Amino acid sequence: NAGVTQTPKFRVLKTGQSMTLLCAQDMNHEYMYWYRQDPGMGLRLIHYSVGEGTTAKGEVPDGYNVSRLKKQNFLLGLESAAPSQTSVYFCASTFTPGRPDTEAFFGQGTRLTVV
Amino acid sequence: AQTVTQSQPEMSVQEAETVTLSCTYDTSENNYYLFWYKQPPSRQMILVIRQEAYKQQNATENRFSVNFQKAAKSFSLKISDSQLGDTAMYFCAFMKRRYSGAGSYQLTFGKGTKLSVIP
Repeated sequence: NAGVTQTPKFRVLKTGQSMTLLCAQDMNHEYMYWYRQDPGMGLRLIHYSVGEGTTAKGEVPDGYNVSRLKKQNFLLGLESAAPSQTSVYFCASTFTPGRPDTEAFFGQGTRLTVV
Repeated sequence: AQTVTQSQPEMSVQEAETVTLSCTYDTSENNYYLFWYKQPPSRQMILVIRQEAYKQQNATENRFSVNFQKAAKSFSLKISDSQLGDTAMYFCAFMKRRYSGAGSYQLTFGKGTKLSVIP
């Protein structure tokens, strides 16, 4: 049981380049989230999805796009990377929050550097 | 939208002592979950403890317990018998329960408290 897997784990981009981060979960979770973590800022929500084919903006969505074409995958895209997008990115997933054992499961993070 | 505030950026505690981390939140929801997550230097996010808002009894998990004050919107974490392995960032988080109100299903985190356990 792999849980939540993020690809890649590390990446260095040049300003203006594009890339896609992949999050895959094998727990049949309905909800998926993308966060960025910066020193002193905690985890800030970029975009999230409450089901296949649905996405919604979080706290810091500018410069990012997402897609959830399959229930198990949640893709985060950077169309034109900027140095301000240098960060550690986390993906998380949960069941629809109603179970007693509700919790978010996280990937291992992706360290992205934009130079 | 809900907000989560952790007012202690850093704390330290002597090994074997007890420490309490604070968290307050703001929401108009009535049914929700509150969580404490631990992030050690490995960067992995680990669930420490969970509280459902409709439960009056405070959650406990071994050395970890919470003081949940729903009216005050306060959710503090107490770590007893602190161990070196407790050194980590601790995040408080909020999520509303399904079919509860019209708000979004965002999972919202505070900025974290960096806890150092001193030998």
